[in-house]
Amino acid sequence: AQSVTQLGSHVSVSEGALVLLRCNYSSSVPPYLFWYVQYPNQGLQLLLKYTSAATLVKGINGFEAEFKKSETSFHLTKPSAHMSDAAEYFCAVSEGTGNQFYFGTGTSLTVIP
Amino acid sequence: DAGVTQSPTHLIKTRGQQVTLRCSPKSGHDTVSWYQQALGQGPQFIFQYYEEEERQRGNFPDRFSGHQFPNYSSELNVNALLLGDSALYLCASSRTFSGGETQYFGPGTRLLVL
Repeated sequence: AQSVTQLGSHVSVSEGALVLLRCNYSSSVPPYLFWYVQYPNQGLQLLLKYTSAATLVKGINGFEAEFKKSETSFHLTKPSAHMSDAAEYFCAVSEGTGNQFYFGTGTSLTVIP
Repeated sequence: DAGVTQSPTHLIKTRGQQVTLRCSPKSGHDTVSWYQQALGQGPQFIFQYYEEEERQRGNFPDRFSGHQFPNYSSELNVNALLLGDSALYLCASSRTFSGGETQYFGPGTRLLVL
C-alpha cells in the first residue's frame, strides 16, 4: 500500500522568504510523485510532477521539488514567497499510469506581508 | 481547450436522498477518477472509469456508484445519503496511454447533507 505524509499542517513564511513544504511517501514500486495547489473553494491545480526522469523537477509559479529515493522524500520549495502563494498544498503518489492517487492531508501555507 | 468541468457546483440534500454528480473530462482524455475531499482533509479515491467500466475502486461502500458514457463523461451516484457524505467531490481525468500518469482535476461539486 502507498501512503503520503506531509509534515506540518500549517506553515507560515514572510513574503520574500524561502518556502519549504515537506512530503514523505511510502511505495512498494518506483513512484510517480505530484504536488497540487488548491485555492479556497477551487479544485486542484498541478504544480509539478516526478515520473522517473530528472530528480529535480521545476514547476509553475517558481516552485520546484527534489526526489530523494534514499529519504523517500519529495519536498516542495520556492526561493521567495509571494502573497499569491497562500493556499493549500497537497502531495500525491501513484504507482504509475492509470493508478489511483494517494494524497497527503495537505499543508496550509500562509504568507505574512 | 476546456479543462475538466463538473456540475453542479453546489448541492444541498437531506439524509436518505440520492444524488448524481456529473463530470466532463479534459479534451483527449479517456479515463475519469472520482475523489471525495472532506473538510480539512486530502482527497480520497472513490473509483476510476475507463472504457465505460469501473477499473479501480477505493474503500467506499456500494452506496457510491458510477457510470461512464461513450463520450467519456461520467456520473457519480450516491444513494441513501448520510451526514458524513458532506464533502467536496472532485473529478479528475487522464489519458490511459502516453502522458497518462497525470490527473487533471475539475473545480469540484460541494455537497452538503442535512
